[in-house]
Amino acid sequence: GDSVTQMEGPVTLSEEAFLTINCTYTATGYPSLFWYVQYPGEGLQLLLKATKADDKGSNKGFEATYRKETTSFHLEKGSVQVSDSAVYFCALRRDYGGSQGNLIFGKGTKLSVKP
Amino acid sequence: SQTIHQWPATLVQPVGSPLSLECTVEGTSNPNLYWYRQAAGRGLQLLFYSVGIGQISSEVPQNLSASRPQDRQFILSSKKLLLSDSGFYLCAWVGQGWRGYTFGSGTRLTVV
Repeated sequence: GDSVTQMEGPVTLSEEAFLTINCTYTATGYPSLFWYVQYPGEGLQLLLKATKADDKGSNKGFEATYRKETTSFHLEKGSVQVSDSAVYFCALRRDYGGSQGNLIFGKGTKLSVKP
Repeated sequence: SQTIHQWPATLVQPVGSPLSLECTVEGTSNPNLYWYRQAAGRGLQLLFYSVGIGQISSEVPQNLSASRPQDRQFILSSKKLLLSDSGFYLCAWVGQGWRGYTFGSGTRLTVV
């Protein structure tokens, strides 16, 4: 079945460091891909998305490119801030059968940014 | 504008007690509604989803049930809680045209 695999955390970085959180997926067809962010004590918020191969999603300095050849959607940011400390979830969505529009999430990667 | 309300924010319940978590959506009609659980070390697990009033699909067999008595109301219930039901429960909705999930702020349930 469809699945999402993220790099395991926690990831600890210093402020202004470069961030990469790896995400790979397994799915048939052409799923849409997403990154969600969960700040401490809150629900999930959509960070960015890409709906087809070679699309690049971007938001708040974060970027991720939909790579079909490597089935990946790695999250990157050039210079992280303390306020970026959160849990990041990679997810895919593929419509099939009765499960239309359901998101399948990775396990999440906790990022801690130190000043 | 569309908003989603989820309550309570935190809950501590003894083993064997009942549970009722409520989620309501405003500003949209006929949304798809979802209940997810986030347990320690296990990421987000889809529990139930609903595409309409009275229509519930269960993704994972367990000690929980869901109901959708009104178009914009989604309720998660249990008759007798287990320790393993502890976790962070998130409600989400998707509207027409699928512009992405909108999540509620979550309920942290601790079963003691």
